[in-house]
Amino acid sequence: DAKTTQPPSMDCAEGRAANLPCNHSTISGNEYVYWYRQIHSQGPQYIIHGLKNNETNEMASLIITEDRKSSTLILPHATLRDTAVYYCIVRVFNAGGTSYGKLTFGQGTILTVHP
Amino acid sequence: EAQVTQNPRYLITVTGKKLTVTCSQNMNHEYMSWYRQDPGLGLRQIYYSMNVEVTDKGDVPEGYKVSRKEKRNFPLILESPSPNQTSLYFCASNKREGVNEQFFGPGTRLTVL
Repeated sequence: DAKTTQPPSMDCAEGRAANLPCNHSTISGNEYVYWYRQIHSQGPQYIIHGLKNNETNEMASLIITEDRKSSTLILPHATLRDTAVYYCIVRVFNAGGTSYGKLTFGQGTILTVHP
Repeated sequence: EAQVTQNPRYLITVTGKKLTVTCSQNMNHEYMSWYRQDPGLGLRQIYYSMNVEVTDKGDVPEGYKVSRKEKRNFPLILESPSPNQTSLYFCASNKREGVNEQFFGPGTRLTVL
């Protein structure tokens, strides 16, 4: 699985958009970008994933650059409850063998939303 | 409500005393796994199971056992716990087809004295 690089921490004002970047310059053609978050030692929570097109769901938007070497997770109106560690993960959608289902979490970005 | 449950949520034990952490999911998922989370090391996979009676080692399986006798349950067994197994443990499950959404349990904080 491709390696990802994320800033260790970011701040955001409540009500503003939070834009979390992720670099994955070694991503290969069949690898997807996934975002999860972990709120204060709770179990990680899936947010969104994408291959090359921009994606949006009720939680967030995912913008993937045309060369797919980087992406940005956007929380359009951050709230205090969005304070969490955000993980960007790159992996094959349906890997077989010993990689099946395994998510490799890096250090992530600590997002702090301020009042 | 679709969920993964773990028990106990908190456990303090002593070295060598066998323990089991239970994990159950109500989504009929084929795939289940266990992770441990330690400061500075992130989440690391311990064991996984692709279906009933099919289990395999993850990245850090030493000192752990698992079983998958029923689809919904995937207990983690520490036969002889040691202090280096003090950690935060998460169980997770997802459907066989793809890993776009892996559901995690609330975590079990284990302290081995």
